[in-house]
Amino acid sequence: GENVEQHPSTLSVQEGDSAVIKCTYSDSASNYFPWYKQELGKRPQLIIDIRSNVGEKKDQRIAVTLNKTAKHFSLHITETQPEDSAVYFCAALDTGRRALTFGSGTRLQVQP
Amino acid sequence: DADVTQTPRNRITKTGKRIMLECSQTKGHDRMYWYRQDPGLGLRLIYYSFDVKDINKGEISDGYSVSRQAQAKFSLSLESAIPNQTALYFCATSGTNGGEQYFGPGTRLTVT
Repeated sequence: GENVEQHPSTLSVQEGDSAVIKCTYSDSASNYFPWYKQELGKRPQLIIDIRSNVGEKKDQRIAVTLNKTAKHFSLHITETQPEDSAVYFCAALDTGRRALTFGSGTRLQVQP
Repeated sequence: DADVTQTPRNRITKTGKRIMLECSQTKGHDRMYWYRQDPGLGLRLIYYSFDVKDINKGEISDGYSVSRQAQAKFSLSLESAIPNQTALYFCATSGTNGGEQYFGPGTRLTVT
């Protein structure tokens, strides 16, 4: 099955700085890579996703990059704000199960 | 997101008891999932269902069972609860082509 590793587990940045979270996956056939944000006490919600036919996708201050050769993808948040503080999960599609495998999460803290 | 609901929201039970967690959705999605969330371990897939007659084991199905009573309802049972099943449980749904998953609000289960 799919194995997804996520780093770092915690990340603290100053407001206005950029934050980068990285994930690697093992299933070379995987073609779908979403990112979820979970605020304290709330449910995870999708913030951006990318499919394997593109290398980068942007949505305002967030972007995701994908390197299929190296089997890694990253989340980039620019101009961070306190409301970006949350736990972020990457995921990759396990093509055998046809279901997502999630990374272990990154707790991002944006210091005002 | 009131489209995916879970009951109960909190439950404390004793070792050896049988417990059922329920999930309902009004999104009209075929696919439904059960995850557990533990600190530092992310979201791990317990069971998932692509339609009423298609139920599959996830990464950590031992000690759990499920029932898909209708397209809109997917229940998770712990036949004989044990303390290491203490966790936050999430139900999620997605459309036929996979893609974005919509999570319920979660059920916090404590087994004493």
